[in-house]
Amino acid sequence: EAGVAQSPRYKIIEKRQSVAFWCNPISGHATLYWYQQILGQGPKLLIQFQNNGVVDDSQLPKDRFSAERLKGVDSTLKIQPAKLEDSAVYLCASSLQNWGGQYTDTQYFGPGTRLTVL
Amino acid sequence: AQSVAQPEDQVNVAEGNPLTVKCTYSVSGNPYLFWYVQYPNRGLQFLLKYITGDNLVKGSYGFEAEFNKSQTSFHLKKPSALVSDSALYFCAVRSSGGSYIPTFGRGTSLIVHP
Repeated sequence: EAGVAQSPRYKIIEKRQSVAFWCNPISGHATLYWYQQILGQGPKLLIQFQNNGVVDDSQLPKDRFSAERLKGVDSTLKIQPAKLEDSAVYLCASSLQNWGGQYTDTQYFGPGTRLTVL
Repeated sequence: AQSVAQPEDQVNVAEGNPLTVKCTYSVSGNPYLFWYVQYPNRGLQFLLKYITGDNLVKGSYGFEAEFNKSQTSFHLKKPSALVSDSALYFCAVRSSGGSYIPTFGRGTSLIVHP
């Protein structure tokens, strides 16, 4: 079974530039998550999708971050414009069903995209 | 608000010795608790979870964790450490009801010496 795929693996940009990350979840997984992991900290959930609908985006800085999952499969996370404090690893994860409520399916993580903002 | 504390930034243990990585939590209602491991330049891998039932949970690679409700702890343990266990370990918690958002700890670096 193929795992969660993410690209690119590394990205270096100047502040105020735009950047986009791509994620392809495990086939058949309905739920997709984007996390931000700043160096020395644990992952922080940015947004959770169930199929192509947003379940929770309360921790997404919506003035500069956006995410979509148009066909309920792969997803893109965009930052526009980037700030220095956005330097982090962006992790994508997927699970078979919703992690909320009574469902507690295991999340499978991709390798992450390391973003450096100069 | 829910929170997770991993009080040790680093744990050092000799190969073959037992290891413990500590985690305490705070959450409204009943907790769902998780341990993940992260190897360099790789994403997080699921180790084990506690949802309900037996307080001792067994997971991947010989790891286990014990849920202690009175002490609000969920420490990760392994009877005999391997050098290959050296990695970054994250504890996570969320409430069984309400918000779907999990909270992760800062992580503990486990170093197993030959």
